[in-house]
Amino acid sequence: SQKIEQNSEALNIQEGKTATLTCNYTNYSPAYLQWYRQDPGRGPVFLLLIRENEKEKRKERLKVTFDTTLKQSLFHITASQPADSATYRCALEQAGNMLTFGGGTRLMVKP
Amino acid sequence: DAGVIQSPRHEVTEMGQEVTLRCKPISGHNSLFWYRQTMMRGLELLIYFNNNVPIDDSGMPEDRFSAKMPNASFSTLKIQPSEPRDSAVYFCASSTSLGQSGPTSGNTIYFGEGSWLTVV
Repeated sequence: SQKIEQNSEALNIQEGKTATLTCNYTNYSPAYLQWYRQDPGRGPVFLLLIRENEKEKRKERLKVTFDTTLKQSLFHITASQPADSATYRCALEQAGNMLTFGGGTRLMVKP
Repeated sequence: DAGVIQSPRHEVTEMGQEVTLRCKPISGHNSLFWYRQTMMRGLELLIYFNNNVPIDDSGMPEDRFSAKMPNASFSTLKIQPSEPRDSAVYFCASSTSLGQSGPTSGNTIYFGEGSWLTVV
């Protein structure tokens, strides 16, 4: 069966460190992989998209990698800040299909 | 742009009552999605419209749920009769679609702030 797995346990890190979140998937061949941020009581907000033929994408303090051999994406936030605390979700899109979201990982950045 | 607008933001209703959730997508977007979020099941896609036409409703839980999109700027999700297990946050989202390779086709989905439904 198809699965998108994100660590359901919260990730706690100290301000200034790099946060790394993992998204693993099985039985998918995604054409695109997206990362979203969701704050409590709010809807998910798009952060980054990476295509199947791209290895890495950066935007300011954010970096996403995509390894289609390992079936894994890593999401990095460098120089993390308390304001980065939120739930982060990966979402996969296979050609011809809708976005399917992972369960999300809650990030807590402590000052 | 005001973004995707949903109403009501919060609704508490009694079991058996009809619930109607409303959504105004971003102007110019031709794809509209209804998602449901619960602690147990996460974010699930219920139905997807493209150019006002329902394309995939395989995520709709049962016949008590129905969705319409009478025009490009308005959609409703109706639950009749409502049950306590329908309690969840319902998100509407919109996107542009390039059509052939998928409803999102690598385009960003923009979510509304959600409608928080509690059925007692």
